[in-house]
Amino acid sequence: QVQLEQSGAEVKKPGASVRVSCKASGYTFTGYYIHWVRQAPGQGLEWMGFINPNSSLTYFAQRFQGRVTLTRDTSISTAYMDVITLRSDDTAFYYCARGDCTGGNCLKLDNWGQGSLITVSS
Amino acid sequence: QMTQSPSSLSAFVGDRVTITCRASRYIKINLNWYQHKPGKAPKLLIAAASGLQSGVPSRFTGNGSGTDFTLTISSLQPEDFATYYCQQSYGHPTTFGQGTKVQIK
Repeated sequence: QVQLEQSGAEVKKPGASVRVSCKASGYTFTGYYIHWVRQAPGQGLEWMGFINPNSSLTYFAQRFQGRVTLTRDTSISTAYMDVITLRSDDTAFYYCARGDCTGGNCLKLDNWGQGSLITVSS
Repeated sequence: QMTQSPSSLSAFVGDRVTITCRASRYIKINLNWYQHKPGKAPKLLIAAASGLQSGVPSRFTGNGSGTDFTLTISSLQPEDFATYYCQQSYGHPTTFGQGTKVQIK
């Protein structure tokens, strides 16, 4: 079955960077986009960006451009999200999700990782 | 921009519940619904406005097109207490509604 396994919780200081990994299994990794979505405490879901694992094409919500990098390693079916210059308001659960491309735009998020809690605190 | 209403509601087990999602522009039927429980991964319930996903109970129904959409739970069950989000999948960037929290009355 489709699974997305994310890396564990991390605590970071303001100004630091973090990498979250998302290992896919149970399907052809290059056939689906990987999206990243976060949920801050008490807030709703916020879409951050996606990567096309086949081409490495990325696209970001405007507020994350320049501070978030998405990459992938197709040899191990793993996607990565790097966030730099962390702030306290980056404290959140970060989810990766598979984007099904049926219909053309790969925005149907049909399987999700378990979430990675990133806490930013001095 | 996607606007959901209400932002929260309280209901009894067995009640019929309807959540509304309004898009700020025309999105055809490019609207998905997700269920999110605390500490769990969000779950896709309905795609393309009314397409029930495999394994999702038939008490969940999605309707609408253009700018106005609804998610209805015909008979609320204990496992349905969660936060529900709509998401427009018409184009980039995708956006979620702010969520509707369904609580036990």
